[in-house]
Amino acid sequence: NAGVTQTPKFRILKIGQSMTLQCAQDMNHNYMYWYRQDPGMGLKLIYYSVGAGITDKGEVPNGYNVSRSTTEDFPLRLELAAPSQTSVYFCASNGRVGANEKLFFGSGTQLSVL
Amino acid sequence: GENVEQHPSTLSVQEGDSAVIKCTYSDSASNYFPWYKQELGKRPQLIIDIRSNVGEKKDQRIAVTLNKTAKHFSLHITETQPEDSAVYFCAVDYGGATNKLIFGTGTLLAVQP
Repeated sequence: NAGVTQTPKFRILKIGQSMTLQCAQDMNHNYMYWYRQDPGMGLKLIYYSVGAGITDKGEVPNGYNVSRSTTEDFPLRLELAAPSQTSVYFCASNGRVGANEKLFFGSGTQLSVL
Repeated sequence: GENVEQHPSTLSVQEGDSAVIKCTYSDSASNYFPWYKQELGKRPQLIIDIRSNVGEKKDQRIAVTLNKTAKHFSLHITETQPEDSAVYFCAVDYGGATNKLIFGTGTLLAVQP
């Protein structure tokens, strides 16, 4: 298993541009998450999904959108990039409906908005 | 609301000493409390977790204790080694069956040789 795969690893955006961060997992996990980590700070939950077709807001959803059309993929969309969205973005997944399991993290996407 | 407070934000210890990091949470319905370690430039990795039906769990040099009444839990690292130097995050599940994990703000642990 490749685990959780995120692309791209690095990206520089100009203010107002849009982009999609890709996330895919091959572990047949129902639950997927997007976190952002600002420099020297903790992980903030942006959006999460408990299964295909179901998404919900986390702690800091403003400026982002997600979709979950398949179990494997959970892309994160930035519509109008702002400097405040400069951060490292981690996608994560875990499994087993109704039970808690450890999070498997992707390697992260470092995004700079200038 | 969904809140996880973590202290201290930085911790410096001598090699061989013990380190303790504490987290408090607000939802008495939470029942899963993991700890993650993040080395510089790497992704977070689970090091230990505890569920609400136990008060303590140990794995070699690391242990976690949980006080559900007071709504706090702690990470204990004994006989610290330089390779323990990293940022440690606690997390709490908020949202019942949705398994939504909210993280603390992190503790930078520096183990001095």
